[in-house]
Amino acid sequence: GDSVTQMEGPVTLSEEAFLTINCTYTATGYPSLFWYVQYPGEGLQLLLKATKADDKGSNKGFEATYRKETTSFHLEKGSVQVSDSAVYFCALVFSGGYNKLIFGAGTRLAVHP
Amino acid sequence: DAGVTQSPTHLIKTRGQQVTLRCSPKSGHDTVSWYQQALGQGPQFIFQYYEEEERQRGNFPDRFSGHQFPNYSSELNVNALLLGDSALYLCASSRPGNEQFFGPGTRLTVL
Repeated sequence: GDSVTQMEGPVTLSEEAFLTINCTYTATGYPSLFWYVQYPGEGLQLLLKATKADDKGSNKGFEATYRKETTSFHLEKGSVQVSDSAVYFCALVFSGGYNKLIFGAGTRLAVHP
Repeated sequence: DAGVTQSPTHLIKTRGQQVTLRCSPKSGHDTVSWYQQALGQGPQFIFQYYEEEERQRGNFPDRFSGHQFPNYSSELNVNALLLGDSALYLCASSRPGNEQFFGPGTRLTVL
């Protein structure tokens, strides 16, 4: 079935370091791809999305490119801040009516000053 | 404009009891989805409601049921609670086929 696999955490970085969180997916069709962020004690917030191959989603300095050939959607940020500490979830959804999100297990990021 | 709201924030129940969680969607949204997020895991889709009907369901037993009201708000009911039902329950609202907006969740603890 359709699924999302993320790199295991926690990922621990110093402030201003470069961030990569890997995400790959298995899907029978061509889904839209998302990154959600969850801050402590809160629900999920959409960080960025891409709806077709080679699209790049970006927001708040984060970027991810939809790579159909490698079925990947890796999250990157050039310089992380302490405030980026959170859990990041990669997810996919198929368009056309029912939009059930399928999530990865999440990757916890801890950024230290 | 209020976002998605959920109540209660936290809930403690014992095994075998029943629980009802509530969700009010974002203004203008008519579709409500429920997800279960176990500790350290990603959210798992429970079901989705549109026009007061359950139109898609994930791999959850019949102990999990729901309802959507004419004002688009929704309830999630869980009967015969098990320890494994302890989780954060997230509600998300949307227009059909569009981006889902999540509420802050209800933390359910089953003792």
